[in-house]
Amino acid sequence: AQSVTQLGSHVSVSEGALVLLRCNYSSSVPPYLFWYVQYPNQGLQLLLKYTSAATLVKGINGFEAEFKKSETSFHLTKPSAHMRDAAEYFCAVSEMNRDDKIIFGKGTRLHILP
Amino acid sequence: DAGVTQSPTHLIKTRGQQVTLRCSPKSGHDTVSWYQQALGQGPQFIFQYYEEEERQRGNFPDRFSGHQFPNYSSELNVNALLLGDSALYLCASSHKAGGPPYEQYFGPGTRLTVT
Repeated sequence: AQSVTQLGSHVSVSEGALVLLRCNYSSSVPPYLFWYVQYPNQGLQLLLKYTSAATLVKGINGFEAEFKKSETSFHLTKPSAHMRDAAEYFCAVSEMNRDDKIIFGKGTRLHILP
Repeated sequence: DAGVTQSPTHLIKTRGQQVTLRCSPKSGHDTVSWYQQALGQGPQFIFQYYEEEERQRGNFPDRFSGHQFPNYSSELNVNALLLGDSALYLCASSHKAGGPPYEQYFGPGTRLTVT
């Protein structure tokens, strides 16, 4: 069965500092991996996705994530945080070529300190 | 190009009542998935509709049912509401013919409060 673990329900970084949100997954088959962002009172927006091509995936708003099979990780990073990055971030997994049901982690709320 | 739309945006119901939530998929999409997001949690998959049939189902009771119409829009019905059904209900649409990973586009959600 698939699962996603996000380390840290809350993460605080200073504006301009590196953002690192951690995600580990479990899947019995090669996975598709996703990061979504949710701003207050809004739906989910796809930041980036891994679909078995390049292991370093670049997304919108300056975010990127690296797929590491040996560590079963898909951590999200951004070199320099902006105030507008404050939101809830969800890591998610689906099973490649099997179905498109998405399993989400519990989320990490990112706080940006001025 | 209209994205995924959901109605209503907010809803307040009483325990035991029934509720219907509606979703219109993004233009060109043929598949609709429903998710429940409880406060402080990640979204949980309820079920998915494609070609007017339920194709996959998550771990939700039969009180949760749905329908997909010929124009690909969808409804989520919940019977005998419980306090624990209070959540944000998200609809996501995708295009099966486009092949995996079937990128899902999410709507803004319907906030259901059960009192």
